[in-house]
Amino acid sequence: GAVVSQHPSWVICKSGTSVKIECRSLDFQATTMFWYRQFPKQSLMLMATSNEGSKATYEQGVEKDKFLINHASLTLSTLTVTSAHPEDSSFYICSATTGGWSEAFFGQGTRLTVV
Amino acid sequence: AQSVTQLGSHVSVSEGALVLLRCNYSSSVPPYLFWYVQYPNQGLQLLLKYTSAATLVKGINGFEAEFKKSETSFHLTKPSAHMSDAAEYFCAVRNNQGGKLIFGQGTELSVKP
Repeated sequence: GAVVSQHPSWVICKSGTSVKIECRSLDFQATTMFWYRQFPKQSLMLMATSNEGSKATYEQGVEKDKFLINHASLTLSTLTVTSAHPEDSSFYICSATTGGWSEAFFGQGTRLTVV
Repeated sequence: AQSVTQLGSHVSVSEGALVLLRCNYSSSVPPYLFWYVQYPNQGLQLLLKYTSAATLVKGINGFEAEFKKSETSFHLTKPSAHMSDAAEYFCAVRNNQGGKLIFGQGTELSVKP
C-alpha cells in the first residue's frame, strides 16, 4: 500500500508555544488529507479535512485558529497547534487519499505532550 | 447519518481460539466498510474493506469479515488467534459526503497464552 509519513512521531513542548506536525504522502498525490485526534483508550475524532490548495474544513467544535491546517502541495499537509496548553496533549494522526472513494492511508501518528 | 457501533470495548481470547469482533453499521445508502488495526502509539493499518463486491471479504493476517445487510453487520473474524494479534481494532464506515471515515469506539483484543 501507499506510504504516509508523519513527523515528528513524538514531541514535548512548553505551554504557550506552537508545534507543527507534518504529514507527507511519499509515493502518491494526496488531494485530500484528514487530521484526527485520539485520546487514550478512545476512538479517532476527526478534526478537519483539507484539500490541496483550499482552506480546510473543520469539524464542529474544533477551533480553527488554534489548529491551523495547511495543504499547500499534493504531498504535504501540516497541522500547527498554536499556543499549546496541557489539554492539547494527545495523539494526532493524519490520513491521505487521492480523493473520491479511494482508500485512506494513515500516518504513524504524533504524540504531543505539552508541559 | 452514517455510524458504526462496536459491541464490546474489550475482548479477550486464548491463543489459538476464534477471534470475533462485532461491528454494526447504520447507513441509508450502501456502505463502504473498513476494519483497521492499531498497535500502541502507531497509526492505523487497513485489515480489509467492503466496497459492495463480495460479501465475504478476506484481509491481511488471516482476518476476514462478512457483510450482512439483513443484520447491518460487518463482524471481523480470525479462526486462530496469535499473540501478535493483540491490538486495538476499529470498524469504520465511509461517509457518503466528502469521503471521510466515521470510526467505531474501538475494541481492544487481548490474547492469552
